[in-house]
Amino acid sequence: GAVVSQHPSRVICKSGTSVKIECRSLDFQATTMFWYRQFPKQSLMLMATSNEGSKATYEQGVEKDKFLINHASLTLSTLTVTSAHPEDSSFYICSARGTADYEQYFGPGTRLTVT
Amino acid sequence: RKEVEQDPGPFNVPEGATVAFNCTYSNSASQSFFWYRQDCRKEPKLLMSVYSSGNEDGRFTAQLNRASQYISLLIRDSKLSDSATYLCVVKHSNASKIIFGSGTRLSIQP
Repeated sequence: GAVVSQHPSRVICKSGTSVKIECRSLDFQATTMFWYRQFPKQSLMLMATSNEGSKATYEQGVEKDKFLINHASLTLSTLTVTSAHPEDSSFYICSARGTADYEQYFGPGTRLTVT
Repeated sequence: RKEVEQDPGPFNVPEGATVAFNCTYSNSASQSFFWYRQDCRKEPKLLMSVYSSGNEDGRFTAQLNRASQYISLLIRDSKLSDSATYLCVVKHSNASKIIFGSGTRLSIQP
């Protein structure tokens, strides 16, 4: 199946700093990428949907100025958590949807811990 | 009310047993249905799609009842490696976002 990578896999940062997470589709072009957040023992919650070259669409309750999403190419989307706080500590997972089919392929996730 | 509802579990069953999970969805316009599996601290992975006629993949059987808006997953002869969280997933159309249920935790006991 298609491969999606995320970097970093784990990050620890101090409160008030910003963290950037990269999501790459390695062997296919992804016109649409999705960003999810998952707190312990909870399901994945969609944060935003991004289409290449256009602004991301954020789900209700997700602050677009805090979670900056850039999808500048068909193989790369980034999520920047600005001024991170301990309550932002979570598992962030991206997924990419190919242009040829409508399958969504998930990245391995990034575990963010804000101290 | 959540659009996709699942019993959170946990389901603790002995190895070799048969276990069934149920899922209900509220949007009658939903078109595509899936079961995903998620291991602890890992990303979800597609287990199987669910078709109206029901479908089977080895020890796993999925069924869809559109009239009742209900999806099920049956695991026969359960293995220790089946321990995971099983996520019910719905799509409104091919091009739409996927909607996850909250997941059902399964723990197979030796």
